[in-house]
Amino acid sequence: AQSVAQPEDQVNVAEGNPLTVKCTYSVSGNPYLFWYVQYPNRGLQFLLKYITGDNLVKGSYGFEAEFNKSQTSFHLKKPSALVSDSALYFCAVRALTGRRALTFGSGTRLQVQP
Amino acid sequence: DVKVTQSSRYLVKRTGEKVFLECVQDMDHENMFWYRQDPGLGLRLIYFSYDVKMKEKGDIPEGYSVSREKKERFSLILESASTNQTSMYLCASGTGGYDTQYFGPGTRLTVL
Repeated sequence: AQSVAQPEDQVNVAEGNPLTVKCTYSVSGNPYLFWYVQYPNRGLQFLLKYITGDNLVKGSYGFEAEFNKSQTSFHLKKPSALVSDSALYFCAVRALTGRRALTFGSGTRLQVQP
Repeated sequence: DVKVTQSSRYLVKRTGEKVFLECVQDMDHENMFWYRQDPGLGLRLIYFSYDVKMKEKGDIPEGYSVSREKKERFSLILESASTNQTSMYLCASGTGGYDTQYFGPGTRLTVL
């Protein structure tokens, strides 16, 4: 079975400071990893994904994520947070083979203070 | 841009009613998915479909069924709604292969 852990329910950061939202995963074989963002009363929007290749993946709105196979982690990062980044962030995983559906983490609420 | 639409943003139903949630995508995607979202639990997969008339159970299929008669449309059915099915329901679609899923805006269902 595959699973995702987002250990922080909420992350608070001041505008302009770097942010990190943590994600660890468990899956059989090689993983596909995703980050999605959800703004209030909206569906999920795709941010970025890791399939293979470079461990540092760049995505939308200045976000990036680093795949670390030995630590089974895929943390989301941004060098300088904006108030408009405040939202709910979800990490998701699926195995290279097998079920095509994603398994999501419980979500981390990011609050960026002005 | 990929567009996934859901028939209602908000829905209020009574216990025991039959409920239909409709999802339509306009990108000719093979795969479609239904999730429910609850605070602290993230998204949990209810059902998914790889092709027309094909369906597979997800992690929490009990109390739900689905229908996919056309490639662009995937319906979620609550045969007899119960209060514990009060939730946000999200539909998604995606291609085969590397499967970036695109989500609809969600339907917030309240069962009284």
